[in-house]
Amino acid sequence: KQEVTQIPAALSVPEGENLVLNCSFTDSAIYNLQWFRQDPGKGLTSLLLIQSSQREQTSGRLNASLDKSSGRSTLYIAASQPGDSATYLCAVENQAGTALIFGKGTTLSVSS
Amino acid sequence: DVKVTQSSRYLVKRTGEKVFLECVQDMDHENMFWYRQDPGLGLRLIYFSYDVKMKEKGDIPEGYSVSREKKERFSLILESASTNQTSMYLCASSRISSGANVLTFGAGSRLTVL
Repeated sequence: KQEVTQIPAALSVPEGENLVLNCSFTDSAIYNLQWFRQDPGKGLTSLLLIQSSQREQTSGRLNASLDKSSGRSTLYIAASQPGDSATYLCAVENQAGTALIFGKGTTLSVSS
Repeated sequence: DVKVTQSSRYLVKRTGEKVFLECVQDMDHENMFWYRQDPGLGLRLIYFSYDVKMKEKGDIPEGYSVSREKKERFSLILESASTNQTSMYLCASSRISSGANVLTFGAGSRLTVL
């Protein structure tokens, strides 16, 4: 059974730092991997989607990479801002069109 | 922008009550999902639906049922609410883009069962 793990569970950084959030998954035969953001008490917002054939995706200050063979993905946030404070979740889709399996998330706090 | 609307943001119910959580999407998506989210446990899939009148059990379906009579509406039903069903419930719908399930989530419904 696929399991998704995110480390660390929480992270506090000062504004302006570059940071990396980690996601690992036990079954490397995934179809794609997605990163989401969740603000307190709110739903999830999709940030980046990486197809299994891709190595990375970029959106603004965010860059997500995928290494299927090692079962890992990283989300890189450049020049962090207080507005980046949220919980970041990764999720994998094992087969096309199937339900996503989520990690427990990393809660990021960026202080000004 | 596609919208997923969950009818109630906050609900307080008593043990044994029947509870309906409604979710409506406005972009003709085929797939709809119900997750619950609990501290330390993350998001867990309760049920999902690939089409009208179709439903599939997720990882934790016990104590729940669902209804999808129309494409845009996916309802989660707690037949007899219990305190261990106190949680944040998240509905999502998805389109398939290049084979990927691209999810859009609702704002969530926080249910407290007393």
